[in-house]
Amino acid sequence: EAGVAQSPRYKIIEKRQSVAFWCNPISGHATLYWYQQILGQGPKLLIQFQNNGVVDDSQLPKDRFSAERLKGVDSTLKIQPAKLEDSAVYLCAAGIGTGELFFGEGSRLTVL
Amino acid sequence: DQQVKQNSPSLSVQEGRISILNCDYTNSMFDYFLWYKKYPAEGPTFLISISSIKDKNEDGRFTVFLNKSAKHLSLHIVPSQPGDSAVYFCAASPFMAGANNLFFGTGTRLTVIP
Repeated sequence: EAGVAQSPRYKIIEKRQSVAFWCNPISGHATLYWYQQILGQGPKLLIQFQNNGVVDDSQLPKDRFSAERLKGVDSTLKIQPAKLEDSAVYLCAAGIGTGELFFGEGSRLTVL
Repeated sequence: DQQVKQNSPSLSVQEGRISILNCDYTNSMFDYFLWYKKYPAEGPTFLISISSIKDKNEDGRFTVFLNKSAKHLSLHIVPSQPGDSAVYFCAASPFMAGANNLFFGTGTRLTVIP
C-alpha cells in the first residue's frame, strides 16, 4: 500500500498571511492529487499532477493558490493570501493506476 | 454541482446488525465507484470498490451493490462492529485505471452502538 506523508499536520494563521503544505508520496507514484475538505463536505479536487505536469487545475483558485511538483516526487501547495473560507483540511493523495487513491493524514488549516 | 450524493448525514446501528449506507450519482460517465472510511484526524482510507461491469462486490464483512439504471450504490456492513464507527465517503470516477480524479459525496457518519 502507498504511504503518503504530509506536513504540517496543523497550521493556524491570520487572514492575508501565507501558508505552505508539503506532500511526499513515499513510494514515488506518478499521479499526485491535492484535495480540499471543508468541514461537513467531501474532499474536492484542487489540482492533479502526472509526474511533473498538471493534468487538472480547473478548481484551483489561481489568484491565491499555487502548487508545484518538482522532479515528479514531492509537492507543495501554497496559499497567499489566505482567506477565512480557506479553513479546511488539505489532503494529498497518490494514485498507482488501479483506480483507488491513497491519502495522507491531511493538513488542517485554520484561518483567523 | 454535487455529482455524488449521500443524503443521510448520519446512521446509528446496534453492534451485530447490518449497516446500509447509500449513495446516488448523476453523471452517467462514472464507471468506477469506491467507498472510503475516515476516522477523526486521519485521511480517508480505501475500503472497497466496484466497476460498472459488476453489480456486486464482496470483501469480508463489506459488500457494495451497484444499480446502474438507478444510478445508486450501497455499502452493506454485516455484522457491524464498534470499530466500524467512522465517516464513510462514496466516490466515483469516469475511469477504472490510470490517472483519474475521484468525485466524493458529503459522507455518512456511522455510529455502531455496543
